[in-house]
Amino acid sequence: KNEVEQSPQNLTAQEGEFITINCSYSVGISALHWLQQHPGGGIVSLFMLSSGKKKHGRLIATINIQEKHSSLHITASHPRDSAVYICAAQLNYGGSQGNLIFGKGTKLSVKP
Amino acid sequence: DVKVTQSSRYLVKRTGEKVFLECVQDMDHENMFWYRQDPGLGLRLIYFSYDVKMKEKGDIPEGYSVSREKKERFSLILESASTNQTSMYLCASSPLGKPQPQHFGDGTRLSIL
Repeated sequence: KNEVEQSPQNLTAQEGEFITINCSYSVGISALHWLQQHPGGGIVSLFMLSSGKKKHGRLIATINIQEKHSSLHITASHPRDSAVYICAAQLNYGGSQGNLIFGKGTKLSVKP
Repeated sequence: DVKVTQSSRYLVKRTGEKVFLECVQDMDHENMFWYRQDPGLGLRLIYFSYDVKMKEKGDIPEGYSVSREKKERFSLILESASTNQTSMYLCASSPLGKPQPQHFGDGTRLSIL
């Protein structure tokens, strides 16, 4: 069983829809990261959170530490949101202050 | 803004060649990482370094080595390239200390023929 599980693997939405991507993890973490990867490869960090909720523009990330679950929400989705979204758990032990363990990513396609 | 620069976006090499992938960051970060990304497998850690001349194996170090002679530069070396090392390679850096976001380069798509 993977230590970080994301769902769904693929998601197609119409412009304007509310989108939710889920992430469950089974390891002890110091933080949970949400990353965005556009076609072409570059990865951008969207959020790092260890409790509660964070918001940036139309993006909202939440985490429930007790349930070991995090969600990424996109409100009023737009075709430019089309990308792969990756959840990563930062371990609370080990070298380098905790390496990241990545989910396999959710490929989001938003149609106009 | 943090800049992590990988030397090549695309690279084609032949089996048996020694391949060098270079990564440079401009924010004085202590931690640097090399990942490979494959369809269906996600990102996997090859090696990381938390200081000059220090290196630690990640999850899949076999067939790779690294070098960190200067703080800003972290090199990944494929000693004798094989076709199963065809992949997207991503470098990242982060500061030392409490949890911090990692900053990624644009990636190098490496093909071994």
